Amino acid sequence: DAGITQSPRHKVTETGTPVTLRCHQTENHRYMYWYRQDPGHGLRLIHYSYGVKDTDKGEVSDGYSVSRSKTEDFLLTLESATSSQTSVYFCAIREVNTEAFFGQGTRLTVV
Amino acid sequence: KNEVEQSPQNLTAQEGEFITINCSYSVGISALHWLQQHPGGGIVSLFMLSSGKKKHGRLIATINIQEKHSSLHITASHPRDSAVYICAVRWRGEKLTFGTGTRLTIIP
Repeated sequence: DAGITQSPRHKVTETGTPVTLRCHQTENHRYMYWYRQDPGHGLRLIHYSYGVKDTDKGEVSDGYSVSRSKTEDFLLTLESATSSQTSVYFCAIREVNTEAFFGQGTRLTVV
Repeated sequence: KNEVEQSPQNLTAQEGEFITINCSYSVGISALHWLQQHPGGGIVSLFMLSSGKKKHGRLIATINIQEKHSSLHITASHPRDSAVYICAVRWRGEKLTFGTGTRLTIIP
């Protein structure tokens, strides 16, 4: 199995609080991605990174920010969580022209 | 925008049946991925292909670039194959666009 871990795996937080999800890899892959998965939708890209300090927005980036200060870690931050951000979040890693490897997911509930 | 459509959305079959799941997309791509997600579980990559056909065990994936279409086949289906199968395409840089998945249930 590819070395990719997400933390936490589950989180319940209150509306308006900041939340940070962590994705850690041991594969030294260049590309890292954050997706959210909601019923009736395919996985949707929030942000992705193509190198240390190099990030770009995806299709559902509003309300989210990311940082990648070293190759192995990609952080997703919800600055002020809202109920619409209740979802399952997946991190993925890839190298150029290779398959994608996914973390186990983080179930986030905003109450 | 690349539209990715999967069919059927839901599929129930008897153990042993031959299964076909389809994926079509609207814009030319550099690669197509098939993924598997078990209930409550993580997502596992099954195949990445840009042309032709690939086989792994009882799973076969094909792609027709001209028709913008791919199929995932499962031979001799088994209850442990029950999962959601997801198609994703890579078409601009290194981003992936995902279909909404096909929920497969195999009845013993």
